[in-house]
Amino acid sequence: DTEVTQTPKHLVMGMTNKKSLKCEQHMGHRAMYWYKQKAKKPPELMFVYSYEKLSINESVPSRFSPECPNSSLLNLHLHALQPEDSALYLCASSLLGGRGSYNEQFFGPGTRLTVL
Amino acid sequence: SQQGEEDPQALSIQEGENATMNCSYKTSINNLQWYRQNSGRGLVHLILIRSNEREKHSGRLRVTLDTSKKSSSLLITASRAADTASYFCATDESHGNKLVFGAGTILRVKS
Repeated sequence: DTEVTQTPKHLVMGMTNKKSLKCEQHMGHRAMYWYKQKAKKPPELMFVYSYEKLSINESVPSRFSPECPNSSLLNLHLHALQPEDSALYLCASSLLGGRGSYNEQFFGPGTRLTVL
Repeated sequence: SQQGEEDPQALSIQEGENATMNCSYKTSINNLQWYRQNSGRGLVHLILIRSNEREKHSGRLRVTLDTSKKSSSLLITASRAADTASYFCATDESHGNKLVFGAGTILRVKS
């Protein structure tokens, strides 16, 4: 199974809502990532988990809260978002590279988030 | 800040022609990767080239890396309409802690 799945595909939420994005992979990858992508822009890294521990937080606002319950699952909890947070949220996974290098990443199809 | 800068920003060609995209970067790298993204979808990894490699092939794809010029190119031969997508280079910086994506090239292949 070489697939990364993400749910939901689309999400519309108000600024006072709490919602969660989910990501799952069964490739045995111990590195998992959240990216945010605005239209016509490249993906921007948000968080990296290595061995289920948060290793990188790219100064993401606290209204985004990641969670890695086990080696196959990655969640992104959303609370009190702003309209400018509307974007495509991509999850990815990879084997951990040696000496801090990055291997190829496998991406899910993304969740299209709209904040009203 | 973006490590990779890609050109052209957009490229439109006829089916059967070759497409070449270029990526330049600023610092030393462990490897450079190319990804494809169809509209509104996730990225698909195409090829990874390590800093000690100069050229790599995968099917109709050919990637070159010139570390002295800090640049890479992706060549797609005999393009097909299905190759229409955005293409991103991503650099794994030697002293960085993440993959840094370039701005991307939008390729349109007309049938």
